[in-house]
Amino acid sequence: SQTIHQWPATLVQPVGSPLSLECTVEGTSNPNLYWYRQAAGRGLQLLFYSVGIGQISSEVPQNLSASRPQDRQFILSSKKLLLSDSGFYLCAWSYNTANTEAFFGQGTRLTVV
Amino acid sequence: AQSVTQPDIHITVSEGASLELRCNYSYGATPYLFWYVQSPGQGLQLLLKYFSGDTLVQGIKGFEAEFKRSQSSFNLRKPSVHWSDAAEYFCAVAAYSNYQLIWGAGTKLIIKP
Repeated sequence: SQTIHQWPATLVQPVGSPLSLECTVEGTSNPNLYWYRQAAGRGLQLLFYSVGIGQISSEVPQNLSASRPQDRQFILSSKKLLLSDSGFYLCAWSYNTANTEAFFGQGTRLTVV
Repeated sequence: AQSVTQPDIHITVSEGASLELRCNYSYGATPYLFWYVQSPGQGLQLLLKYFSGDTLVQGIKGFEAEFKRSQSSFNLRKPSVHWSDAAEYFCAVAAYSNYQLIWGAGTKLIIKP
């Protein structure tokens, strides 16, 4: 069966520090991968998605970047965190086909102080 | 453009009472619709999905949803809620053109003892 791992679960980082969140998927090949953010009391905002290795699409201009160095690995990064980067970050995957559901990791609570 | 509206930000129901969470979508073709649940601090879990066929779909945890094309709705129902159902619920529609899900803003369900 397929599983998705996302870490760390919680992270407290100072303003201006770098960020690296990692997500890996097991049990499937060539998945679509997604990074979402939830600000407090708000819905899901799609940040990045990837349909293959090295293929990254950004939905919103921001202080973050994403990379997909391997088929089932998706990394969210920042060179210098801002206070506004605080939030709940979710990684998800779906089958590489249209109209399919997404499967989510457990999320990372990022607090920038 | 596709969109999903969940008109209720919060809903409070008594334990044992019935529940209906509303979801309206805007989509030009036959929609692919989903309901997810998110417990506090957790990722999202798929409750049910509608692709085609019977317009009443059954999901996990005793939930069901009915697709009504004439009303562009996909409301989630449960005949008797339990305290463990307290969570946030998200409706989503698949955007056929780019493999993404379009999300509603979510409805937070509060259960009164």
